[in-house]
Amino acid sequence: QKEVEQDPGPLSVPEGAIVSLNCTYSNSAFQYFMWYRQYSRKGPELLMYTYSSGNKEDGRFTAQVDKSSKYISLFIRDSQPSDSATYLCAMGGTASKLTFGTGTRLQVTL
Amino acid sequence: DVKVTQSSRYLVKRTGEKVFLECVQDMDHENMFWYRQDPGLGLRLIYFSYDVKMKEKGDIPEGYSVSREKKERFSLILESASTNQTSMYLCASSLIGGGPYEQYFGPGTRLTVT
Repeated sequence: QKEVEQDPGPLSVPEGAIVSLNCTYSNSAFQYFMWYRQYSRKGPELLMYTYSSGNKEDGRFTAQVDKSSKYISLFIRDSQPSDSATYLCAMGGTASKLTFGTGTRLQVTL
Repeated sequence: DVKVTQSSRYLVKRTGEKVFLECVQDMDHENMFWYRQDPGLGLRLIYFSYDVKMKEKGDIPEGYSVSREKKERFSLILESASTNQTSMYLCASSLIGGGPYEQYFGPGTRLTVT
């Protein structure tokens, strides 16, 4: 079983929809949770960074962490075609290394 | 703006060749990482370095070596390239601390071994 599980998609939604992206994990030591966005033929870039449980909001993006269920989510409100990308979850404990999900490909259509 | 640059965007090499992938960061970060990214497998850590001349194996170090002679530069070496090393290679850097800081990624090198 992988330490981090993420549905690869693809997920196709119409413009303006609310998107929900999720990851589950098995390592209880994970305390830091991140979401990266990766456009085609580019390197990943950080979208959201949360520590421990709870919610964090940044514009149209909301990250949620439920440590009791070992489940994290990224919500995108009012999705735009420019949000079309692959979204990677990543998590870590007390060391510098991160463990990444395989990524979910999102397509927002006009 | 943090900048992580990689020496090539696309590279085609023959089986058995020695391949060097170079990565340079300009933010004085202590940590540097090399990943490979394959469809369905995600990002897998090959090696990382937390200081000059220091290195640690990641999850898939076989067939690779690394070199960090200067803080800003981290090289990945394929001693004898094989077709199963065809992949996207991503370099990243981060600060060092009590947990994982944000990793900044380069644009990637798409390596094809024929």
